[in-house]
This record gives sequence, structure tokens and C-alpha cells, in this order.
Amino acid sequence: DAGVTQSPTHLIKTRGQQVTLRCSPISGHKSVSWYQQVLGQGPQFIFQYYEKEERGRGNFPDRFSARQFPNYSSELNVNALLLGDSALYLCASSLISASGTSEQFFGPGTRLTVL
Amino acid sequence: GENVEQHPSTLSVQEGDSAVIKCTYSDSASNYFPWYKQELGKGPQLIIDIRSNVGEKKDQRIAVTLNKTAKHFSLHITETQPEDSAVYFCAAIRTGANNLFFGTGTRLTVIP
Repeated sequence: DAGVTQSPTHLIKTRGQQVTLRCSPISGHKSVSWYQQVLGQGPQFIFQYYEKEERGRGNFPDRFSARQFPNYSSELNVNALLLGDSALYLCASSLISASGTSEQFFGPGTRLTVL
Repeated sequence: GENVEQHPSTLSVQEGDSAVIKCTYSDSASNYFPWYKQELGKGPQLIIDIRSNVGEKKDQRIAVTLNKTAKHFSLHITETQPEDSAVYFCAAIRTGANNLFFGTGTRLTVIP
């Protein structure tokens, strides 16, 4: 079975530009979460989507947005990029229900560099 | 919100020795505690997890212990091998919450 896939692998943008990152969850998983991992730190939660609805949002500005599609894949969009947005962006999928907790499996991430 | 602290930040051990990484959490409602291994250039890989209804869980050379009263949990790796070298993260989450709260990571180096 394929794990979580993310694209692109690497991305270089300049300040002020916009970026879209993509994620496909494990087959059968309906929940996708996005995390930002700055070098040397643990992942920080950005969004969770379950059944195409936003279920949670972390402490990130409105420049960050996301959506989930009927096939449960997801996109993360970041507008007006800042140098501080440079990070590894991770997608995690899980079987989580609206009220339960289950394992989260991470993809390889997208390395975003903002110049 | 939850706050997870992790120690040590770096750990070097000789091949064959044991390694222990410790984490504390602040939210007594947290009830699921996964551990992730992250190799260079890769995403975190779930290696073991424990729920609050058990005190210990073991999978071959890896074990995790949980002390709910003290709000801390630990990862134990026995008979370490060079391929165990990586950054390890602990995390915590409570039922109904949306996000994992991660520790700051431990860079484990196993010296051949």
C-alpha cells in the first residue's frame, strides 16, 4: 500500500509569492492534517481536515489556507510568502473520526525555501 | 494548551548500549502518546505509541513507558544499532483534539 504522498518535493519561491502544496492520504484515510517543521524543531500544527471540512486550525496567520477534495486529497496554500515561511511542510493522514484519536502517518514533506 | 518537553536534545551511545529519551506533558487530559523517528530529509515515521490505559508497551527493541500521575513518558531503545541514528520526537494528544503536540526532538547518534 502506498503511504502518504506529497508534491512537490522541493520548492523555491521569492518573498510575496504564493505557493500550493499537495497531499494524498493513505487509501481509506479520511483525515488530513498539515504541519510546519522549522529546522531543528518539532512539527507545528497548521490545519486538520476531516470529510472535507476544517476541523482544526493552529496559530497561523490567514495567509495560510487549505482545502480537502472529495477524494480526500488536500492542498495547502500560502499567500504573500515571508522568509520565515521557509520550512518543511508535512502532511499526515489518519482514520480519525470526529470524536476519536488514531495514529497519524506522515508523508515525506515538501521543503519550501523562500528567498 | 498542551506543552510537551523532551530531554535530552542530543544523545550519543555506543552500538549495543541502551538509549532512553524522556518527555513530560502538561495537559492531564492527553491520552495518546506516539513516538516518531525522523531521518535526514524524510518525514516523521511512527515507531511506537501508547495510550493512557496502559503503562508500558514493547515492540522488539523498542519500549515506551507512561506515568500518568507524573505526566511523563519515555522511549527505551535496547541493543542500539547505527541505523537507529536519527531524530526522535515524542508527541501528545487528547481525545477529540485535532493536533499532535510535539516535543523539541532528540538527536540520537549510535557510534559503531
